[in-house]
Amino acid sequence: AQTVTQSQPEMSVQEAETVTLSCTYDTSESDYYLFWYKQPPSRQMILVIRQEAYKQQNATENRFSVNFQKAAKSFSLKISDSQLGDAAMYFCAYTNFGNEKLTFGTGTRLTIIP
Amino acid sequence: GAVVSQHPSWVICKSGTSVKIECRSLDFQATTMFWYRQFPKQSLMLMATSNEGSKATYEQGVEKDKFLINHASLTLSTLTVTSAHPEDSSFYICSAEDLSGVLSSYNEQFFGPGTRLTVL
Repeated sequence: AQTVTQSQPEMSVQEAETVTLSCTYDTSESDYYLFWYKQPPSRQMILVIRQEAYKQQNATENRFSVNFQKAAKSFSLKISDSQLGDAAMYFCAYTNFGNEKLTFGTGTRLTIIP
Repeated sequence: GAVVSQHPSWVICKSGTSVKIECRSLDFQATTMFWYRQFPKQSLMLMATSNEGSKATYEQGVEKDKFLINHASLTLSTLTVTSAHPEDSSFYICSAEDLSGVLSSYNEQFFGPGTRLTVL
């Protein structure tokens, strides 16, 4: 079974600075997707960024980028120019290609310091 | 596009009663919907996969007779918590998958806003 591990229960960053959230996963599959989801206090899950395992290029979405290391099974999220609205729980998630189930990590609570 | 609603957003019920939670995809058709449970300060745990027109597939450890799932149409899935007890109090989240490929290039799951259930 696939597992997703987030080793940082909490992180904090100064506003406008950069922060990196860590995620590792375990799978025997070669084709899969990885995701970072944001859950603000409203608890609405919001997709931040997605990475296809077959793509070597790291995904980027505006201030959000990932460092995908397939061999190391590592998938970190970098948030640049942190904003107050970035404060939330961040969940790393995994799904096999062709399988719809999402496996979530335990989450990292990100606090933005004004 | 890609809006998923849940109703109710919160519900309080007495122990022993049943509660129904609705999950609707408002602007797309979803043959597959998922139900998650989230305890305070914890992650989302998949409870079951709901397939339109067929029986739901439950994850290991989830009681199918307690958590009844019905997916009668391409836009609606319901989760009924039967004979609810205080330990069933939790945040329940659904997601819907767009298979048309219009909203996303892959089978992206779109999440509802969740339902907070409190059983007294």
